Amino acid sequence: LAKTTQPISMDSYEGQEVNITCSHNNIATNDYITWYQQFPSQGPRFIIQGYKTKVTNEVASLFIPADRKSSTLSLPRVSLSDTAVYYCLVGDGKDSNYQLIWGAGTKLIIKP
Amino acid sequence: NAGVTQTPKFQVLKTGQSMTLQCAQDMNHEYMSWYRQDPGMGLRLIHYSVGAGITDQGEVPNGYNVSRSTTEDFPLRLLSAAPSQTSVYFCASRAGTGVPLGYTFGSGTRLTVV
Repeated sequence: LAKTTQPISMDSYEGQEVNITCSHNNIATNDYITWYQQFPSQGPRFIIQGYKTKVTNEVASLFIPADRKSSTLSLPRVSLSDTAVYYCLVGDGKDSNYQLIWGAGTKLIIKP
Repeated sequence: NAGVTQTPKFQVLKTGQSMTLQCAQDMNHEYMSWYRQDPGMGLRLIHYSVGAGITDQGEVPNGYNVSRSTTEDFPLRLLSAAPSQTSVYFCASRAGTGVPLGYTFGSGTRLTVV
């Protein structure tokens, strides 16, 4: 099971673009990269998932280089409501023994 | 609204008591999991199920039992509560196939064992 490493915390300001990078050196061929967002007293919320190159949805973009040993979650024009903990996970979605390893995540604080 | 429903939201138990945390999903998801989250930590997998009648242990299964008699329900039983089981418990589900394969989480049960 691939383990991920991400910064413990980050600060930014409203209106800025925020990039959170995650390293996953032992990612396996079949592994997908998934990001979740968690607000206090709530369960994590799925943000985005990708396998390679770039994925974009209405909330964020996910950039994955060719070697797939890292990934970057990009949040455009953040607001105060984006203050949360962000988790990066890797795993094989098609494996019946699929288990995710959750680190402590990155605590993102957005300032006015 | 579709999603994962957990009950109760809060619970206080005395050491040695037993109880069941309920989890239900209405999205016809094959995979369901139970996690615990301690303050400032990531989630740790307790038990998971890949379909009705199939369950398996996660990272921290001791002191907990699960069953999956239907696709919709995945209850978590605490056999004899201990203070070390004070935590927030999350149930999650996802489809077994297709992409993306992200989990949908419930709102959690905050359990205190005294």
